[in-house]
Amino acid sequence: GAGVSQSPSNKVTEKGKDVELRCDPISGHTALYWYRQSLGQGLEFLIYFQGNSAPDKSGLPSDRFSAERTGGSVSTLTIQRTQQEDSAVYLCASSLGGGGGYTFGSGTRLTVV
Amino acid sequence: RKEVEQDPGPFNVPEGATVAFNCTYSNSASQSFFWYRQDCRKEPKLLMSVYSSGNEDGRFTAQLNRASQYISLLIRDSKLSDSATYLCVVTWAGTYKYIFGTGTRLKVLA
Repeated sequence: GAGVSQSPSNKVTEKGKDVELRCDPISGHTALYWYRQSLGQGLEFLIYFQGNSAPDKSGLPSDRFSAERTGGSVSTLTIQRTQQEDSAVYLCASSLGGGGGYTFGSGTRLTVV
Repeated sequence: RKEVEQDPGPFNVPEGATVAFNCTYSNSASQSFFWYRQDCRKEPKLLMSVYSSGNEDGRFTAQLNRASQYISLLIRDSKLSDSATYLCVVTWAGTYKYIFGTGTRLKVLA
């Protein structure tokens, strides 16, 4: 597609439920990143995929968080047993992987009630 | 010390003013530098890359000072539409993972 597509744009879930967030990167972009941004805060790195290399998972805050990228394209971020502190905007970005700028999707706003 | 630090602001300036933001980074091996712009409740968008020699794009000028480990953004002739949060971004050598500052908020007043 022309840009990075994320779905859903908004998600309200009950505490303890699992959620899946989807990211469809720009076609041909080999690098894909997940960040989250809490209200009034900066962007917090979560995970990074680059081609066929092992992902950099160093930013995942707990083992409730996982992500996969199938076929080098679409990625899914899964949060199990959601907690209220997981409420944030989850942003996906992609890049050509050569150190150029990221293009972000418009994000998924997750609210855990 | 935070990896990337910015003055959160807000910087309130009148239309037509010149305003500058600085951003400091802690890792001397940092490799690439960018400024992103983020409007309220929107995703960040690339404003400009920052090169060692400095670069200019219209009213915007970015500079890098490796010795003092900071980058700067200068906006001339501020417009109302420049009101946004400006995010400083640094990458470390050997990785394309971005480290974001928390942003500097700019309000341009009529």
